[in-house]
Amino acid sequence: GAVVSQHPSWVICKSGTSVKIECRSLDFQATTMFWYRQFPKQSLMLMATSNEGSKATYEQGVEKDKFLINHASLTLSTLTVTSAHPEDSSFYICSATLAGSLYNEQFFGPGTRLTVL
Amino acid sequence: AQSVTQPDIHITVSEGASLELRCNYSYGATPYLFWYVQSPGQGLQLLLKYFSGDTLVQGIKGFEAEFKRSQSSFNLRKPSVHWSDAAEYFCAVGGIGGNKLVFGAGTILRVKS
Repeated sequence: GAVVSQHPSWVICKSGTSVKIECRSLDFQATTMFWYRQFPKQSLMLMATSNEGSKATYEQGVEKDKFLINHASLTLSTLTVTSAHPEDSSFYICSATLAGSLYNEQFFGPGTRLTVL
Repeated sequence: AQSVTQPDIHITVSEGASLELRCNYSYGATPYLFWYVQSPGQGLQLLLKYFSGDTLVQGIKGFEAEFKRSQSSFNLRKPSVHWSDAAEYFCAVGGIGGNKLVFGAGTILRVKS
């Protein structure tokens, strides 16, 4: 149980284009979903927290107009990287917490590798 | 502010040897503590977690960790390492009422045969 999927698993795009990454909780309803980015040989950095039906909360230094997050349902959140540039190339990982979970344990997706040319 | 320190960037152990990965945290309230493992190009897999109760927690793949409040530590251990354990390990801390996790920088484990 508590499986989170991401699609696509990897994507290559040209500079200036937009890319959408989906995060789905497959067998549970997720109250909250999180988006992280991870640069090579570095740790995960939280980008934003999204709750179903409300605006995402972005961490300091993360451009909300560049990284658009939509949490349309209790099982789906999307991250759109708008006007992507090479410096946006990274590994993006989402996680989800189980609705009603006492300890807010996060379940992680497998990640999406974004390469911007 | 909450933080997690993993002092060892790389650790190399021989297959069959014991392992201990260090994790120290700074948190103003009762912490929830986690250890995750990440293989190259993959997401994170939860190894174990501590919320309350017994300070020695058992996880998957033969791992265990001990919460020591007095030392603000949550070190991960395994009595006998297998080559398949080679990966990067992350310690993370969260808390009651807030569901953000703060991750340590990670420790890369290499296993030599």
